[in-house]
Amino acid sequence: DIQMTQSPSSLSASVGDRVTIPCRASQSISTYVNWYQQKPGKAPKLLIYAASNLQSGVPSRFSGSGSGTDFTLTISSLQPEDFTTYYCQQSYSTPLTFGGGTKLEIK
Amino acid sequence: QAQLVESGGGVVQPGRSLRLSCAASRFIFSNYGMHWVRQAPGKGLEWVALILNDGSNKDYADSVKDRFTISRDNSKNTLFLQMNSLRAEDTAVYYCVRDSHASNWRGNWFDPWGQGTLVTVSS
Repeated sequence: DIQMTQSPSSLSASVGDRVTIPCRASQSISTYVNWYQQKPGKAPKLLIYAASNLQSGVPSRFSGSGSGTDFTLTISSLQPEDFTTYYCQQSYSTPLTFGGGTKLEIK
Repeated sequence: QAQLVESGGGVVQPGRSLRLSCAASRFIFSNYGMHWVRQAPGKGLEWVALILNDGSNKDYADSVKDRFTISRDNSKNTLFLQMNSLRAEDTAVYYCVRDSHASNWRGNWFDPWGQGTLVTVSS
């Protein structure tokens, strides 16, 4: 199985900051990584697909990069509604797996 | 806007069965693969099962293989998850999720997600 590691599990930042959230795969997975945002009590929402493609309707302050084993979600200027949890997910092979999540907290 | 609405969750005793349903609307259901993803209370996301658009191919997480069965009725725009021999560790919110494509899952993504239905396995 491919392990997706998100470390750290939590990050502190301030409104207006630029923040990067890393995700590492246990083996090379090309660009088969997606990113989701989940707010408390809600279903996850797709932000980025295939490593770097912005889902329609998602603000342009979100971006994704990486290939192989190392991937990054970047938020260019944090807004108050961005302080929540983010998950990466690989679609290279089954079982499809998620990272453990990174919770973005207000500093 | 595509919509997915899960139902069938509840409290069930260990060893018993439960069947979840997911009603799809506002898109052509038979054109997409579908998945179930779960989230235990306070935990992360775990993929459970997938089924391709025509039901020809299915796959499962090892944790549910031989106990859970995914199926679909394209004539009724509905996805199912039959859960047998339930265990305490199956307690979670179960999400119905649409794949981005029809007949393959590799390189795809999940969108949209239903609101989820809570399954609690407890005596």
